[in-house]
Amino acid sequence: ELELTQSPGTVSLSPGERAVLSCRASQNVLSDYLDWYQQRPGQAPRLLIYGATSRATGIPDRFSGGGSGRDFTLTISRIAPEDVGVYYCHQSGYSPPSFTFGPGTKVHIK
Amino acid sequence: EVQLVESGGGLVKPGGSLRLSCVASGFKFSDYAMIWVRQAPGKGLEWISSVSSVVSYIHYTDSVRGRFTISRDNAKNSLFLQLTSLRVEDTAVYYCARVDEAFYSGLDVWGQGTTVTV
Repeated sequence: ELELTQSPGTVSLSPGERAVLSCRASQNVLSDYLDWYQQRPGQAPRLLIYGATSRATGIPDRFSGGGSGRDFTLTISRIAPEDVGVYYCHQSGYSPPSFTFGPGTKVHIK
Repeated sequence: EVQLVESGGGLVKPGGSLRLSCVASGFKFSDYAMIWVRQAPGKGLEWISSVSSVVSYIHYTDSVRGRFTISRDNAKNSLFLQLTSLRVEDTAVYYCARVDEAFYSGLDVWGQGTTVTV
């Protein structure tokens, strides 16, 4: 069974700093089905990145995704106050269908 | 506007039942697979069930199989989740989300969630 781990668990940054969030899979996964979601406090999750590197509609270009195989990253190039929340990586599988989420990285702004 | 709106949550005793609904608007509902994801208080996201655009394909996570039933009515642009034999550990916010099976682009639309308290 696929497991996703995320690091760090929590990160605290000043506005304008760069954040790099990591996601590691317990086995090689298809990049086409690796996504990142942002969940602001009290809100539903929002898709940021799909297919490991593609930004979803309306997502600022300071969010970027990368990686392959077992290791993936979400980079926020210039962090802003509205980026506070929890960021989840996610892998979709199709044999059989399954949707695995990582435990999340909490982002604080100093 | 593309939108999903959940309803049907509430307070229920252990062993009780609830039926959650998710109504879609602004897109062709029958073209998309749909999933239910829940989030227990202070915890992360957990996928619990999915149904393909063609209703033949239905899947559940182990913890709810045999207790929860997913269904959809494409004519009414609606997704449902019947919850039975509820346990305290089923307490969570339940979200519906859509998935494009033909061209995967993530879980790109989510509802606002409905809260189930057992």
